Amino acid sequence: SAVISQKPSRDICQRGTSLTIQCQVDSQVTMMFWYRQQPGQSLTLIATANQGSEATYESGFVIDKFPISRPNLTFSTLTVSNMSPEDSSIYLCSVTSGVRYNEQFFGPGTRLTVL
Amino acid sequence: AQTVTQSQPEMSVQEAETVTLSCTYDTSENNYYLFWYKQPPSRQMILVIRQEAYKQQNATENRFSVNFQKAAKSFSLKISDSQLGDTAMYFCAFMNGSSNTGKLIFGQGTTLQVKP
Repeated sequence: SAVISQKPSRDICQRGTSLTIQCQVDSQVTMMFWYRQQPGQSLTLIATANQGSEATYESGFVIDKFPISRPNLTFSTLTVSNMSPEDSSIYLCSVTSGVRYNEQFFGPGTRLTVL
Repeated sequence: AQTVTQSQPEMSVQEAETVTLSCTYDTSENNYYLFWYKQPPSRQMILVIRQEAYKQQNATENRFSVNFQKAAKSFSLKISDSQLGDTAMYFCAFMNGSSNTGKLIFGQGTTLQVKP
């Protein structure tokens, strides 16, 4: 399976500011995804990060709030913009590889607290 | 739209015993995949086991096995010889195999406590 790292692992931010989360994979992967996990809740897909084109967002998530970049096959960023306390969550990056495309592997997550 | 339901918010089991976590799902698709993920307090999501819908044989990975009942749309996880390290939140997840989006739909999760 791919080795996935995320930076930062955690952060505490002030409302109204923005935070960019990085996801780095040790090998080229087919698909990259960003999930949100609110406290004590399940995971919800924010968007699929497409290499070389705009991300595909799920219902309830918009590009202005969660801009995503994916400049190559091993790296993606998620920005949480104009943060409010409701954005306090764990944000997880996941990937699938071409070999077993129906298996997703997750990064360690970024715990965000907004004050 | 597909949905995944885990009706047991919390469960506990004694070390070395067996426990079964329940999961039901709803879909009109015939080609799909089902997964169980484990999330320990470290919050790292770990893939425990996967099942292809077209396979009748239940998947098994060491102490972990599933009971896949396609007609009933049920996908339970059995953990045998429970260990303290099995303490975690367990998520059941569904992936549509026809759409190729790779999108996972998760259940609400079951918190499992293994007691010494």
